[in-house]
Amino acid sequence: GESVGLHLPTLSVQEGDNSIINCAYSNSASDYFIWYKQESGKGPQFIIDIRSNMDKRQGQRVTVLLNKTVKHLSLQIAATQPGDSAVYFCAENDNQGGKLIFGQGTELSVKP
Amino acid sequence: KAGVTQTPRYLIKTRGQQVTLSCSPISGHRSVSWYQQTPGQGLQFLFEYFSETQRNKGNFPGRFSGRQFSNSRSEMNVSTLELGDSALYLCASSFSGDRGGTQYFGPGTRLLVL
Repeated sequence: GESVGLHLPTLSVQEGDNSIINCAYSNSASDYFIWYKQESGKGPQFIIDIRSNMDKRQGQRVTVLLNKTVKHLSLQIAATQPGDSAVYFCAENDNQGGKLIFGQGTELSVKP
Repeated sequence: KAGVTQTPRYLIKTRGQQVTLSCSPISGHRSVSWYQQTPGQGLQFLFEYFSETQRNKGNFPGRFSGRQFSNSRSEMNVSTLELGDSALYLCASSFSGDRGGTQYFGPGTRLLVL
């Protein structure tokens, strides 16, 4: 049959605003989570990670929040810049070595 | 340190042919994972190699195979190519591949099957 491309959720924000990208993960056994940023024509770039024994982790302008009760992950970007425009993926690992399960991605568009 | 490198960056093949893609991990990294990225299916795990052994495998047909060499460089092979194999093939390396081991991705090889 005909394949249909994934319809990526899109988040459009104004430069300087804060962005929040959400992700629902599937496996309650997953204990390691990562956010990646993918720009057009490039491979995914590591942003920040968090283990299941934490609820929150902060990096430079980014914060990841983990809610294991509802299997939800979010990425907060402070003072969003045009260079932050990209597709953002969450990924989970359930202790199966190097196997990551990726979410569908969210396209972030930053308006100057 | 140099990042993950993949060759070739672009490739055009016809149905029925086979293809081999190469991945050089970050120096010191022993785990290499391969992923297929398509607009329809997103990013999907193919397999992972660690110390020259396949440690994990995704849900892809046997036409997709790989190997890892003693220097941790890895190759993946796709035989009897189909139109649906057109995709961006990404490899990622990590120190050990264990949980908490951050995977760093290469730029990918874009394969077009005609």
